[in-house]
Amino acid sequence: KAGVTQTPRYLIKTRGQQVTLSCSPISGHRSVSWYQQTPGQGLQFLFEYFSETQRNKGNFPGRFSGRQFSNSRSEMNVSTLELGDSALYLCASSLQAGDVDEQFFGPGTRLTVL
Amino acid sequence: QKEVEQNSGPLSVPEGAIASLNCTYSDQGSQSFFWYRQYSGKSPELIMFIYSNGDKEDGRFTAQLNKASQYVSLLIRDSQPSDSATYLCAVQNPPGGSYIPTFGRGTSLIVHP
Repeated sequence: KAGVTQTPRYLIKTRGQQVTLSCSPISGHRSVSWYQQTPGQGLQFLFEYFSETQRNKGNFPGRFSGRQFSNSRSEMNVSTLELGDSALYLCASSLQAGDVDEQFFGPGTRLTVL
Repeated sequence: QKEVEQNSGPLSVPEGAIASLNCTYSDQGSQSFFWYRQYSGKSPELIMFIYSNGDKEDGRFTAQLNKASQYVSLLIRDSQPSDSATYLCAVQNPPGGSYIPTFGRGTSLIVHP
């Protein structure tokens, strides 16, 4: 079974631009979560989508948004990029079919904002 | 606010020794506990999870859970240089609570030859 895939793997943008990242979950997984990871803040939760609906949201400004399609693929968008948005953006998918829900991470997208 | 605490390290152990990584959590309702390994520049990789008090073994890895003390640990036996990585602890509390795990900041492990 294929793992979680993310595209692109690397991105370089300048301040003020916007960016869209894509995530394809493991087949059969309906939940997709997005995280931002920086050396200073660790792994921070952005939002989670389940069956095309945003179910949970972390403490990030409205510049960060996302969506999920009917095939469970998800995208996240960051508008008006700031230098502080430079980070590794991770997508994780899970089944959410029982009491224990294992999240599996994709390889991440390394975003650099200049 | 749910908190998951880990010593940032680095924890340095010689090859062949037992590495002991610890994690404490604040939410008494937490039910499931996960350990991830993250190599530098890579994404987290799930090692194992535990949800019952006691020990759970998987190869060279043993997870230990003590809900009364709100404490979970990961033991790595016969540590190898390839185990050098950051280990993230994550805590989750379904089915009554959210499936979204809370992550600790990780402990850096260095296994030296």
